[in-house]
Amino acid sequence: AQKVTQAQTEISVVEKEDVTLDCVYETRDTTYYLFWYKQPPSGELVFLIRRNSFDEQNEISGRYSWNFQKSTSSFNFTITASQVVDSAVYFCALSERTTSGTYKYIFGTGTRLKVLA
Amino acid sequence: SQTIHQWPATLVQPVGSPLSLECTVEGTSNPNLYWYRQAAGRGLQLLFYSVGIGQISSEVPQNLSASRPQDRQFILSSKKLLLSDSGFYLCAWSGGLFFGTTQYFGPGTRLLVL
Repeated sequence: AQKVTQAQTEISVVEKEDVTLDCVYETRDTTYYLFWYKQPPSGELVFLIRRNSFDEQNEISGRYSWNFQKSTSSFNFTITASQVVDSAVYFCALSERTTSGTYKYIFGTGTRLKVLA
Repeated sequence: SQTIHQWPATLVQPVGSPLSLECTVEGTSNPNLYWYRQAAGRGLQLLFYSVGIGQISSEVPQNLSASRPQDRQFILSSKKLLLSDSGFYLCAWSGGLFFGTTQYFGPGTRLLVL
């Protein structure tokens, strides 16, 4: 069955430290998509990145970077020089095709990141 | 640009009372729509999704139901709330049936059943 594991329940770092959030997935599909979302204290999920299974290039966006490794079924997220505003719950998700032909997301349980000033 | 709205933002309801949460999307046509629930400190559970008017798929058996009376409107309902229905309810939309399409989430509704 499709599954997304975020083993880190909570991480605390001091501002300006780098931090990596782990995401490991399981899927039967050869073509799939992976996502990261940020949930700040307000509750709304904010889309961060989408990555397809054929593109293993790492991506960098400002202080954020993502490392996709198909060989280990991992899609890890690194924040460089963390800031207090990065404090949030971060979710990793995997797309799964349904029997009706559409798709849905399988979410991990999330990692709560606390950045201390 | 597309916008997704949810209301109410917060709701406190007694056990046994009915529920109606509404979600609307602006700036797009024929979106896929989703309802998720997030229990306190937990991950997201997909409750329902819809690919078109009147088309509802349920992910888990429960005390809730969903309807899509208009293209960009998605409603979550219950006839009698249970304590276990408390949580944070999120609506999301995506464009088309392509399985890589990104889902975009609304601001959510916090429901407390007492």
